[in-house]
Amino acid sequence: VQLVQSEVEVTKPGASVKVSCRASGYTFTSYGITWVRQAPGQGLEWMGWISGDSRHTDYGPKFQGRVTMTTDTSTSTAYLDLRSLRSDDTAIYFCTRDLVDGAYHDALEIWGKGTLVIVSS
Amino acid sequence: EIVLTQSPGTLSLSPGERATLSCRASQSVSTTYFAWYQQKPGQAPRLLIYGASTRAPGIPGRFSGSGSGTDFTLTISRLEPEDFAVYYCQQYDKSPLTFGGGTKVEIK
Repeated sequence: VQLVQSEVEVTKPGASVKVSCRASGYTFTSYGITWVRQAPGQGLEWMGWISGDSRHTDYGPKFQGRVTMTTDTSTSTAYLDLRSLRSDDTAIYFCTRDLVDGAYHDALEIWGKGTLVIVSS
Repeated sequence: EIVLTQSPGTLSLSPGERATLSCRASQSVSTTYFAWYQQKPGQAPRLLIYGASTRAPGIPGRFSGSGSGTDFTLTISRLEPEDFAVYYCQQYDKSPLTFGGGTKVEIK
């Protein structure tokens, strides 16, 4: 079981970034995906969750209106789309898989290695 | 939003000693929906404990979780060299899900 993410994305203030997370080793549609970010030297921040079948999402209030989470079941890939980027969005973005299949919210058992998103002019 | 406050911020201990980490919630959290994670430099976090007291697969028996309501504890019975890391608590009872600020366990 693993989640594979791209390593680095560099973008400019005001632009958007789309981070991908390709899953393997399990039934993709059975488990939710949560996105967590970590600014340099800081703690963990929950961004939101999408169900494995993409029928349900739950976004953190801080990101509402600026984030969209989607999945492509044909490629077992989850996507995080973050818009109107600011310099303080510079962080490592982790995709994670729920511990239990079918859970609404759950402990985060499987983690990708993270994608470093750099927002800089 | 449920705020999780971890203490202490840093814990300086020697290998073989017992570590006790605390996490206090701003409102009651169901024990079913409380977790602990370990993160080492340059790595993704790793799930240690879920349901407040259940060890995740592959986690050694020296890690234990306890607590209920607003007070939760992670105990490492005897620190091994690989246990020096940052530990985070998390609640997944109510949205938005939240993490504590972390406790760094460092070598004394």
